[in-house]
Amino acid sequence: GAGVSQTPSNKVTEKGKYVELRCDPISGHTALYWYRQSLGQGPEFLIYFQGTGAADDSGLPNDRFFAVRPEGSVSTLKIQRTERGDSAVYLCASSPSGGYSYNEQFFGPGTRLTVL
Amino acid sequence: DQQVKQNSPSLSVQEGRISILNCDYTNSMFDYFLWYKKYPAEGPTFLISISSIKDKNEDGRFTVFLNKSAKHLSLHIVPSQPGDSAVYFCAASEDNYGQNFVFGPGTRLSVLP
Repeated sequence: GAGVSQTPSNKVTEKGKYVELRCDPISGHTALYWYRQSLGQGPEFLIYFQGTGAADDSGLPNDRFFAVRPEGSVSTLKIQRTERGDSAVYLCASSPSGGYSYNEQFFGPGTRLTVL
Repeated sequence: DQQVKQNSPSLSVQEGRISILNCDYTNSMFDYFLWYKKYPAEGPTFLISISSIKDKNEDGRFTVFLNKSAKHLSLHIVPSQPGDSAVYFCAASEDNYGQNFVFGPGTRLSVLP
C-alpha cells in the first residue's frame, strides 16, 4: 500500500515569501505529525493532529508557522514571511492512532525547504 | 539543551561484528523509547521500541537495552550487515501515546564489507 507522501520534495524560496508544504498520510491513519529536521540534528516535533484538530502545537516555533488538516486526512504546513533559518527538511508522519496506545509513526520522505 | 543525546556522530563496524549505538537522556519523566533508522532521501523508519517497565527488548538482530538509573539506552545490532548502514535516531517520550517524541541528533553507522 502507499506510504506517507509529501509534496514538493524540494522547495526553494526567497526570504519573506509564503510557502505551503503538503502531506498525504497513509489512508485511515487518524494521527498526523509534522517535524522539522535541521542539518545534523534529529527531527524536531512541530505539531500533532488527531483527526481534524491540532491536539498539540507546542512545537511550532512562532506564529509564522501554521498547519491545517481540514478533512482529517491531507495536511498543509504553512510558513509565512519565511526566514533563512527556516531552511530544513520538513517531515510528516502518520500513525493509526495517537491518543491511547502506542503506534509507531510512519514517516514520509520529507520536503527540503531552502530559503535564500 | 538537548534532552536526548547521541554523542557519537558516526560509527564504523566490520560486517558480521556487533554494532552498539548509544543514547543518553536527561528527562527522568521519559518513559518510552524508540530507535529509528534513516536512509538518505527517505524518512526515518521505525526499528524497535522499549518501555521503562523493561530493561531489554529483542527483535531479530536488533536488541535495545535500557538502564533507567543511568538514563541510558543502547541499540545492539548483531551480526551487522552492509544494509544496516544508515543514520540511527534515538527518540524518547513521556508516554507511549505516540506523540511528541524528542529525537536525538543521530549516529551514522557504516558497516564495512
